[in-house]
Amino acid sequence: QSALTQPASVSASPGQSITISCTGTSSDVGGYNYVSWYQQHPGKAPKVMIYDVSHRPSGVSNRFSGSKSGNTASLTISGLQAEDEADYYCSSYRSSSTLDVVFGGGTKLTVL
Amino acid sequence: QVHLVQSGAEVKKPGASVKVSCKTSGDTFTGYYIHWVRQAPGQGLEWMGWINPDSGTTNYAQKFQGRVTMTRDTSISTAYMELRSLKCDDTALYYCARVGYMEWFDPWGQGTLVTVSS
Repeated sequence: QSALTQPASVSASPGQSITISCTGTSSDVGGYNYVSWYQQHPGKAPKVMIYDVSHRPSGVSNRFSGSKSGNTASLTISGLQAEDEADYYCSSYRSSSTLDVVFGGGTKLTVL
Repeated sequence: QVHLVQSGAEVKKPGASVKVSCKTSGDTFTGYYIHWVRQAPGQGLEWMGWINPDSGTTNYAQKFQGRVTMTRDTSISTAYMELRSLKCDDTALYYCARVGYMEWFDPWGQGTLVTVSS
């Protein structure tokens, strides 16, 4: 199973906005509205930031938003803050019959 | 609030097996799937499979089929992941996570480090 494709790294200054892409196929990202995004700080377990493409769990800042177009999903973080520096992973279901899941390779966000 | 607590770190030799546990508390154990995800040192997340604690039904990623078994004990709200024929590149942090039907991974366990070394 090939992982979803994410850029290895992105960087920006505090206060700026960034967008992380997550490209799959019509069999996963493009086929389901079940894309989620996870933030992982060093030494910590991942934390869900976006689910079902664009929904934010309670407690997650509204600076985080998600969208999807075709086979590519995107995570946008606006008003970057130092604590946003982390690794970000997208995931999607790949099959509705067996509920297979696939993750992206991860993107390291550096806040300059 | 739901919590997933995993068993402690393990050190194994190549060819051995490891069994990691994941105990849930704070919610109905049988109401959600338990997925297993691993992360090799400095690498990304890799999905391994899931178990439906209610029925015991499992689904494994193709990469691990034949080498992994996921089970559960509903009497103690605990899921297990056993990986056999360990290789050095199985060295990783193994996470369990609670997942609703076609939903997102939340919460996650704290992770269990499995080190495979001769």
